[in-house]
This record gives sequence, structure tokens and C-alpha cells, in this order.
Amino acid sequence: NAGVTQTPKFRVLKTGQSMTLLCAQDMNHEYMYWYRQDPGMGLRLIHYSVGEGTTAKGEVPDGYNVSRLKKQNFLLGLESAAPSQTSVYFCASSLGLAASTDTQYFGPGTRLTVL
Amino acid sequence: AQSVTQLDSQVPVFEEAPVELRCNYSSSVSVYLFWYVQYPNQGLQLLLKYLSGSTLVKGINGFEAEFNKSQTSFHLRKPSVHISDTAEYFCAVSEWGTSYGKLTFGQGTILTVHP
Repeated sequence: NAGVTQTPKFRVLKTGQSMTLLCAQDMNHEYMYWYRQDPGMGLRLIHYSVGEGTTAKGEVPDGYNVSRLKKQNFLLGLESAAPSQTSVYFCASSLGLAASTDTQYFGPGTRLTVL
Repeated sequence: AQSVTQLDSQVPVFEEAPVELRCNYSSSVSVYLFWYVQYPNQGLQLLLKYLSGSTLVKGINGFEAEFNKSQTSFHLRKPSVHISDTAEYFCAVSEWGTSYGKLTFGQGTILTVHP
């Protein structure tokens, strides 16, 4: 099993450009999450999904959109990138049987720089 | 709303010495507690979690943590660290009954083990 994979690993954008980050999991997990990690702030939840075709806002959703058309994939989009979106982005997934206690499994991250 | 505070942003220690990484939380309801580790240039992986029962929880790689409800703490300990334990450690909480597994993370503690 590959677990949780993320594409791309690195990306540099100019302000105003758009891009999509892809997350894929092969563990048949129901729940998927997108986080951003900034120095000294831990991880903050951007959006999440509790199943195929569903998405919901997390703690810091502004400037991002997501889609979960297939159970194994969770896409994070930036329509018009801003320097404040420079961060490391992590995708995670969990089984979804007992949401509060489930272990979340994380991908390796995408390092995004917006100039 | 819950919050998590990791009391030390950086902890330097010599190899084979004991270490304690401190975590305090606040919440108006019962919580579940987690410690995740992030090795350089990797995603997060679960070290251990407290769900219920014994307040002393053992995890992978010789780490353990103790839940103290009266002090709202969940400190992580290891009696003898190795160079390979150098990483960033995150404490996280989820609230009982959360529908989607919302994790609130602390700011992280960078553990550096020196030879």
C-alpha cells in the first residue's frame, strides 16, 4: 500500500495564478482532510470530506476550494494564489468509523511558494 | 472551542538522556488526545493516543504519555532518546462526539538530539 500520496511535492506560483493539489489514498478511507502547516502555528484544517461527493469548510477555508469526485481522491484548488498561501500543505485520511478517535494518516506534503 | 498549548518550541537534549515534551489543553467537553511525530521532510505519523482507561499510554519507538485530567495535560516522555528521535512533535486533541474527527494541533515542539 502506498498510503496517502500527494502531487506535486513542490511548486512555485506567481500571485494570481491557479493550481490544484492532488491527494490520493489507497486505504479505502471515508474521511479526507486538507491542512496547512505554518511555522509556529501547528496544522490548521482547510477543508474536509466525510465521503465521496461531500465537502465541508474547516478552520481556514478562504481562498481554497475542494472536490471529492472519487472516494480515493481529494483535490485542493487555489483559484488566485496569494503570498499568504505560501505554506506546506498536508492531506490526511481516516477510516471514518469513529471520527473522534480515528487515527489520521498523512501524506508527505506539498511545499507551495507564492511570489 | 478546544485549544492546545505546547509549552516548549524547542528542546535540545543529548543522546541517551531522558526527555519530556509538555502539552496542555483546554476544552469544555471530554477530549481524546494524540501525539504525532514529523520527521524531516515527511508527513505526520501517530506516536500514541489516549482514548480512555489507563492514563499512561505507551506508543511506538519507546515513547509514552500520561493523561492528567485535573491538570489538563498530556506530556510525552522517553527515558532514553536516540539521534533518530530528532523530529517535530505535535500534540493534538479531538472532542468527544465530533462528527468529522476535527483535530486541533499544538504549535509543535522541535526535539533535537545531540551526540
